[in-house]
Amino acid sequence: AQTVTQSQPEMSVQEAETVTLSCTYDTSENNYYLFWYKQPPSRQMILVIRQEAYKQQNATENRFSVNFQKAAKSFSLKISDSQLGDTAMYFCAFMKHGSGNTGKLIFGQGTTLQVKP
Amino acid sequence: DGGITQSPKYLFRKEGQNVTLSCEQNLNHDAMYWYRQDPGQGLRLIYYSQIVNDFQKGDIAEGYSVSREKKESFPLTVTSAQKNPTAFYLCASSIWSGVSSNQPQHFGDGTRLSIL
Repeated sequence: AQTVTQSQPEMSVQEAETVTLSCTYDTSENNYYLFWYKQPPSRQMILVIRQEAYKQQNATENRFSVNFQKAAKSFSLKISDSQLGDTAMYFCAFMKHGSGNTGKLIFGQGTTLQVKP
Repeated sequence: DGGITQSPKYLFRKEGQNVTLSCEQNLNHDAMYWYRQDPGQGLRLIYYSQIVNDFQKGDIAEGYSVSREKKESFPLTVTSAQKNPTAFYLCASSIWSGVSSNQPQHFGDGTRLSIL
């Protein structure tokens, strides 16, 4: 069974600085997808970025980028030029690809990020 | 605008009572999911459905039931058998094209269920 671990329950960063959120996962699969979702105080889950395991290039979406280390089973999220609106809980999630895929997401426990002015 | 609508936003359940959470989507997505969110535990899958009139148990299905009579709708019933129902419930949907599907899930705004 797959598991996803986020070892940082809470983090804080000053506005305009850079912060990195950690995520590790355990799987015997070779093909899969990884996601970062953001849950602001409004509680709606918003997709931030996704990574295909077969791609070596790290995904980037504006100020958000990932450091995907497949061999180490690590998938960290870097937020550059942090903004007050980035304050939220961030979840790392795993999805199988290919045989056995049900579309199910397996989530980590979440990291609460506070951006301070 | 397309999206997922969950209702009600807040719901209270009495002991021994069944309650139903509504989830409607107009994204024309095939697959729909129900997750439960507890503090410090992330989201856990309750039930999912990839096609009308078919659904599958997730990791924590005991005490819950669902139906999928229409593509747009996937209601979740929390039965009296669920002894600890207090949680935040999130509904999600996605395009589903089989095991090679790679589409992300889109989420509703959630329903907070509490025990009276």
